[in-house]
Order: sequence, then C-alpha cells, then structure tokens
Amino acid sequence: NAGVTQTPKFRILKIGQSMTLQCTQDMNHNYMYWYRQDPGMGLKLIYYSVGAGITDKGEVPNGYNVSRSTTEDFPLRLELAAPSQTSVYFCASRGEGGNTQYFGPGTRLTVL
Amino acid sequence: KQEVTQIPAALSVPEGENLVLNCSFTDSAIYNLQWFRQDPGKGLTSLLLIQSSQREQTSGRLNASLDKSSGRSTLYIAASQPGDSATYLCAVLYGGSQGNLIFGKGTKLSVKP
Repeated sequence: NAGVTQTPKFRILKIGQSMTLQCTQDMNHNYMYWYRQDPGMGLKLIYYSVGAGITDKGEVPNGYNVSRSTTEDFPLRLELAAPSQTSVYFCASRGEGGNTQYFGPGTRLTVL
Repeated sequence: KQEVTQIPAALSVPEGENLVLNCSFTDSAIYNLQWFRQDPGKGLTSLLLIQSSQREQTSGRLNASLDKSSGRSTLYIAASQPGDSATYLCAVLYGGSQGNLIFGKGTKLSVKP
C-alpha cells in the first residue's frame, strides 16, 4: 500500500519557469490537500479538493493552480515561479468523517 | 480566525525524562485535534487523533489530552528516548468534518542520550 506519493522529491526552478507537482493516493480518499511549509513554520493550506472535479482555495492560493480529474490524482501547478514560492510542498489525503490525514513525503522546491 | 499556538518552540531533555508539549487554539469549535510527528526532510506521521467529544487518547508511551472549553491540548511523552527526537505538530480540524486542518508551528524536541 503506497499511500500518498509525490514527485519530484527535489526541484530547482528559475524565476518565471513553470512546473507541476504530482500527487497520487491509492486509498480512494475523497479529500486531498496541498500545503506549503516554510522554515520554522507550520503548514499552510494552498488548495484542497473534496472530490473529483471539485477544488477550492485555501489560505495561500496565489501563484498556484490545481485540478482534480480523478479521485487518485491532485496535481499542483506553478505558472510563473517566484523566489517566494521556495518551500517544501506536502500533499495529503483523508477519508470521510474527519479521519486522519495521510501525508506524502514532500517536494522541496527552490526558485532562484 | 482560528489560530494554533505551540509552546515551547524547542525543547531539549535527557533520555528517560517524562515531558509535556503544549498546544492552544483560539476557537473551541473544532471537530477534532491531531498530533503529528515530523522527522527532518520527511513528511508528517499522525500520532494521535482526539475527537471533540473525547478527553484523551493514548498510544504506547504517548498520551494526548483535550480541553476544548479552554482551547488546550497536551501531548505527554513518557520515558523519552533519543528516537523521539523530531518536530511535533498540533493541528485542529476546523469547520466541521469537511473542514480543514489548521497547524501550529511545532515543537522541536531533542532527547539527549
């Protein structure tokens, strides 16, 4: 059981480049989330989804886009990378009823 | 706006000590509260989840309590070991069962052999 997987693990981008962070879960969870974690800080919610075809903004959505075409996949898109987007990005999922959230291993992104 | 605060930010203890990590939240209308462990360069692992109707949960050497009315939770670690060294994050599920987790900044624990 793979749980939540994320690719890539590390990435360096130049200012203005774009990229997609991939997230896949195999637990048939409806809820999926993208967080960013800056050094010494807690996690902040970027976007979330309550099911295929449904997404909504979290606390810090600017500069990001998401889509949810299947239950399993929830990619995060950065269109014009900026140094302020240097962070560690975590994807998570959970089932119904306020149960435990399961986290992926994270993607460490540096924008230079 | 819900805010979650964790005190202390960092803690260093000798092996074998019992210790308490604190978490407070500003709005008592939470659905549940979770404690996570984060190892350097890794993702988060859920340790304990306390539903809003519960007072505490236990798993091995870990015990988490919840006092919703006062907006507080504690994570008690008994007989600490060097392998317990990690950052511990508290998060509240806010906005009902379909709500979102609000995280504290974490407590970085170091257990010295």
